[in-house]
Amino acid sequence: NAGVTQTPKFQVLKTGQSMTLQCAQDMNHEYMSWYRQDPGMGLRLIHYSVGAGITDQGEVPNGYNVSRSTTEDFPLRLLSAAPSQTSVYFCASSYSRYPNTGELFFGEGSRLTVL
Amino acid sequence: KNEVEQSPQNLTAQEGEFITINCSYSVGISALHWLQQHPGGGIVSLFMLSSGKKKHGRLIATINIQEKHSSLHITASHPRDSAVYICAAPPQGGSEKLVFGKGTKLTVNP
Repeated sequence: NAGVTQTPKFQVLKTGQSMTLQCAQDMNHEYMSWYRQDPGMGLRLIHYSVGAGITDQGEVPNGYNVSRSTTEDFPLRLLSAAPSQTSVYFCASSYSRYPNTGELFFGEGSRLTVL
Repeated sequence: KNEVEQSPQNLTAQEGEFITINCSYSVGISALHWLQQHPGGGIVSLFMLSSGKKKHGRLIATINIQEKHSSLHITASHPRDSAVYICAAPPQGGSEKLVFGKGTKLTVNP
């Protein structure tokens, strides 16, 4: 099994550009989520999904868009990149819709720099 | 909202020492996660526990639901244990979200 595959690993954007971070899992997990990790702060939830066609906002959703058209894929879109979105992004999945009840699987992370 | 606090923020140890990292939270929950993030950045799940104690190799995790406190212990620490250790809990019981501590950076010197 590949687990959680996240691409790209590195990306540099200019302010105002848009891009999509890809996340795919091959474990038939119900729950998928996106986090950002900034220095001195814990991982913060951006958006999450408990199944195909179902998404919801996390703690820091502004400036990001998600969709879940299939069980496997959960892309994160930056609509108009801003320097404040410079961060490391992680995708994670879990079998249960309640991530506190099952093991979490993380992608390798995507380091995004917005100039 | 659940406040997840970890201590210490940074920890330096000599190889072979017994390590303890603490995690406390403010809202009653049924279980929490311990995660490990290596210097390369990848995050792996170590434990998910709801009561008592779990052991995996030299790592032991304990939780006291009544006291809202969990600990991660590393016995006979080794330089390869150097990493950031993170605990995570739901903001309230039955939530579809997780709140993460800021992490404890452990450095084990040979």
